[in-house]
Amino acid sequence: EAQVTQNPRYLITVTGKKLTVTCSQNMNHEYMSWYRQDPGLGLRQIYYSMNVEVTDKGDVPEGYKVSRKEKRNFPLILESPSPNQTSLYFCASSLLLNNEQFFGPGTRLTVL
Amino acid sequence: AQSVTQPDIHITVSEGASLELRCNYSYGATPYLFWYVQSPGQGLQLLLKYFSGDTLVQGIKGFEAEFKRSQSSFNLRKPSVHWSDAAEYFCAVVLYNNNDMRFGAGTRLTVKP
Repeated sequence: EAQVTQNPRYLITVTGKKLTVTCSQNMNHEYMSWYRQDPGLGLRQIYYSMNVEVTDKGDVPEGYKVSRKEKRNFPLILESPSPNQTSLYFCASSLLLNNEQFFGPGTRLTVL
Repeated sequence: AQSVTQPDIHITVSEGASLELRCNYSYGATPYLFWYVQSPGQGLQLLLKYFSGDTLVQGIKGFEAEFKRSQSSFNLRKPSVHWSDAAEYFCAVVLYNNNDMRFGAGTRLTVKP
């Protein structure tokens, strides 16, 4: 089944404790991205990747890192999480940017 | 500033009534346009998209959208709403020479029995 998977789905952590949210797609897509969703703000792009080893900042990259060592995986790293990073995070992939993006199920992160 | 605007935060309609959700963008060039739906606790699913050609686009679940260049709008419509349409709807744009997708803030749809 074609899908985007994210892990974990739910995470509660404390300020400053490094964490990684994994994202994997099995559709051989070139383009992958991370979004955060906050009430009243819609989805805002954090980082995106056009291909392996090619990443770039989106609208709200501060406090986040990503890597794209393999085509299928695009992990989101929070080196030192803070409470303002409490949010719902979505990973998405598409063959090209102007194609349909397929979204993962989301990761709800709470930083205390 | 370039942006995507969904003027209605929350809309309530009766089941069987028609629906129109508004989306406006403020970009100099015509972008690629998308509507996504997010059911409670779910990710986003593409309803329809517009790249070029016929300005009336048909999508899944009986939705359609009309691109109006003069109004910089891409409104989503459905002639008869079903209870299962209750969800949050997002308009999104991509500039043809850009690399990122911009989303509106979303419109939450409630369907009354």
